[in-house]
Amino acid sequence: DAGITQSPRHKVTETGTPVTLRCHQTENHRYMYWYRQDPGHGLRLIHYSYGVKDTDKGEVSDGYSVSRSKTEDFLLTLESATSSQTSVYFCAISGGTSGTQETQYFGPGTRLLVL
Amino acid sequence: DQQVKQNSPSLSVQEGRISILNCDYTNSMFDYFLWYKKYPAEGPTFLISISSIKDKNEDGRFTVFLNKSAKHLSLHIVPSQPGDSAVYFCAASGMTTDSWGKFQFGAGTQVVVTP
Repeated sequence: DAGITQSPRHKVTETGTPVTLRCHQTENHRYMYWYRQDPGHGLRLIHYSYGVKDTDKGEVSDGYSVSRSKTEDFLLTLESATSSQTSVYFCAISGGTSGTQETQYFGPGTRLLVL
Repeated sequence: DQQVKQNSPSLSVQEGRISILNCDYTNSMFDYFLWYKKYPAEGPTFLISISSIKDKNEDGRFTVFLNKSAKHLSLHIVPSQPGDSAVYFCAASGMTTDSWGKFQFGAGTQVVVTP
């Protein structure tokens, strides 16, 4: 199993509160991703990173920002949480020493509830 | 618009029989496909992949078939085992620099293997 951890694993917050989720990897993979999983939608890409300080938007990026200041950490921030951001958030990594993007390995997920 | 569709939200199969999961896509630029398996409260785990240069890929009990002209892929699990009870996601990505790694996921199919 790829070494990926996410913190916190569960969080309850109130509307309008800023929230930061952390993804940490010990695999030295180049690419990191944030997805959200909602019923009927599968997983949808929020943002991704192709290197330190290199990030780009995914399919559902509105209301989210990310930062990657070092290879092992990828942070997802909800600047002002809304109830529509209640979801399960997954981090994924890909691209080992070969530099390829192929298979993505997922973290255990963070369950976020915005009241 | 969802570009990857899994039209069967659930599938029940008897232990020892074949499970067939289907996935359809609409984007003709998709060239690389993955299947993931997900247990409750865990992240998705990679099962098997196929690229457009192949029409079949096998790994143990799992076989993925790709029909590019029909924009359809399927996952066969033979024989099905109780531990295969999980949600299965198919995912697709293009092979161009812009699209590589940006996977579109289907909504998932819940498989239940009964004794």
